[in-house]
Amino acid sequence: EIVLTQSPGTLSLSPGERATLSCRASQSFSSSYLAWYQQKPGQAPRLLIYGASSRATGIPDRFSGSGSGTDFTLTISRLEPEDFAVYYCQQYGSSPWTFGQGTKVEIK
Amino acid sequence: EVQLVESGGGLVQPGRSLRLSCAASGFTFDDYAMHWVRQVPGKGLEWVSGISWNSGSIGYADSVKGRFTISRDNAKNSLYLQMNSLRAEDTALYYCAKVQNWANDAFDIWGQGTMVTVSS
Repeated sequence: EIVLTQSPGTLSLSPGERATLSCRASQSFSSSYLAWYQQKPGQAPRLLIYGASSRATGIPDRFSGSGSGTDFTLTISRLEPEDFAVYYCQQYGSSPWTFGQGTKVEIK
Repeated sequence: EVQLVESGGGLVQPGRSLRLSCAASGFTFDDYAMHWVRQVPGKGLEWVSGISWNSGSIGYADSVKGRFTISRDNAKNSLYLQMNSLRAEDTALYYCAKVQNWANDAFDIWGQGTMVTVSS
């Protein structure tokens, strides 16, 4: 099983600032199978990034993903008020599919 | 509109069974693999099970293997999760999710979830 570890657990930032979220895997896998989701309270997760760096339909270009092997990054270039949420990474290359434990981006 | 609607959750005693359903609409259901993901309130996401478009490939998390069974009825545009021998640790919000395109793909559409509470 591929274990995904996200850091930091919580990121306290102000609107307009840049957010950098990390996702580290216990073993290397193809970046084609790494996704990022955003979840707000009371809502289902929303797909942001797939294939490590491709934005899903309708996702603003302030969201970008990068990485390969075991280290992946989600960057939000300039935080908007609606971006404060919890973010999860996921690998879907091999069963069992696994999620990271999440990073909460909160308003400072 | 592409939509997934889960149902069947509720309060159940430990050791009993429950069957969750997920009704799909707005897309060609039998073109896509489907998955169940659960979330304990206030906690993270846990993949539970997945099924290919034709039910030919099925997978389970170790935590539910042997107790849960995923299935689908493409004629009814529906996904199911039969949950037997339920435990307190199965208490969670259960989401169904559609893959984006390929069998191994990200989940682009999620339902709103159905809550399962296992308690005596």
